[in-house]
Amino acid sequence: EVQVVESGGGLVQPGGSLRLSCATSGFTFSSYTMSWVRQAPGKGLEWVSTIRSSGSSTYYADSVKGRFTISRDNSRNTLYLQMSSLRADDTAVYYCAKVYYVGTSGVGYFDYWGQGTLVTVSS
Amino acid sequence: DIQMTQSPSTLSASVGDRVTITCRASQSISGWLAWYQQKPGKAPNLLIYKASSLQSGVPSRFSGTGSGTEFTLTISSLQPDDFATYYCQQYNSFQFTFGQGTRLEIK
Repeated sequence: EVQVVESGGGLVQPGGSLRLSCATSGFTFSSYTMSWVRQAPGKGLEWVSTIRSSGSSTYYADSVKGRFTISRDNSRNTLYLQMSSLRADDTAVYYCAKVYYVGTSGVGYFDYWGQGTLVTVSS
Repeated sequence: DIQMTQSPSTLSASVGDRVTITCRASQSISGWLAWYQQKPGKAPNLLIYKASSLQSGVPSRFSGTGSGTEFTLTISSLQPDDFATYYCQQYNSFQFTFGQGTRLEIK
């Protein structure tokens, strides 16, 4: 059974930093692209960042580029999101999602999601 | 970036109704489109991928059509469990984007 479990959320002051983790099991983590998607309170889904299976390529939404860093540890089956220079509009539930794809493109749809971790940026 | 526009934003319907949600892309995405259902306080759940392929375990009353820039999600006969918010998402490139969502509510 595939499991995706986020952790690391909490209350942080504007300008602060936070690192989210996503522990996975039930699939060959090192073979799959992984992503972070967030949802501000009462709002829709917003893609944040993606990392390919080897970690060699990373992608970011313009809203977080230069402030967030996605990484992975394939030996620990864990995905990370290092967030810095946090702003009030980064307040959201952050979901970790596995990307299913066919072939070698690495791009695909989100077939498994965690339950999310809440990040609140406030003074 | 590719923009995704869903309509309507809110849809009121009754159990047993047939409903359709539309998603338009700002440029062609071929068939690289997924649909998700989300209930309050829960993570999104994949319904449809590649525009029309039903994810395993999803009831057959859900169906998807379209290609290029225009796509639809249809629920053939609404069940009480279907009242939720629905999102489309394009995966034509690594700059993924979602539609703004369609809230399906009970009439």
